[in-house]
Amino acid sequence: DTEVTQTPKHLVMGMTNKKSLKCEQHMGHRAMYWYKQKAKKPPELMFVYSYEKLSINESVPSRFSPECPNSSLLNLHLHALQPEDSALYLCASSSWGDSPSYEQYFGPGTRLTVT
Amino acid sequence: TQLLEQSPQFLSIQEGENLTVYCNSSSVFSSLQWYRQEPGEGPVLLVTVVTGGEVKKLKRLTFQFGDARKDSSLHITAAQTGDTGLYLCASYGGATNKLIFGTGTLLAVQP
Repeated sequence: DTEVTQTPKHLVMGMTNKKSLKCEQHMGHRAMYWYKQKAKKPPELMFVYSYEKLSINESVPSRFSPECPNSSLLNLHLHALQPEDSALYLCASSSWGDSPSYEQYFGPGTRLTVT
Repeated sequence: TQLLEQSPQFLSIQEGENLTVYCNSSSVFSSLQWYRQEPGEGPVLLVTVVTGGEVKKLKRLTFQFGDARKDSSLHITAAQTGDTGLYLCASYGGATNKLIFGTGTLLAVQP
């Protein structure tokens, strides 16, 4: 099974709402990622987890709060977002280590609209 | 931070035409990956090239890695509408497991 699943597929939220994005993989990968992608642009890395610990935070605003409850799950908690945060949020997973060739497996993304 | 520049940024062609997409960096790549992202989906890995001068073929797609490992190209022969999507080169750099994406090439193949 090489699938990364993400829920929900679409999310519309107001600027005062609190919501969560969820991601799951069962490939035994110990690295999991959150990316933000604007239309027709490349994904921008937000966070990297390795062995359930946060290893990279790309200076993401605190209104985005990641969580890795176990090796298969990754959440992104959202609070007090701005309209410019509207984007496609992609989750990915891969093996962890210094190999320059690890494939990242991406989920289909959550399309987030902040009103 | 390594920057990966892709060209062209946008490409619209007719079915059956050939095309080439380029990925360039001022730094040497340890390796280079090419991903394709179809509308409504996440990126999917097409190929990884590691050795300078390497050429890999995937059906109608031919990938080349420059001798100096600072550039790469993707050539599609006889494009089909199913080739439509965002093509991204990517390379690991900086921190462990940090994948840096190129600027992207949006390809539209018209029937």
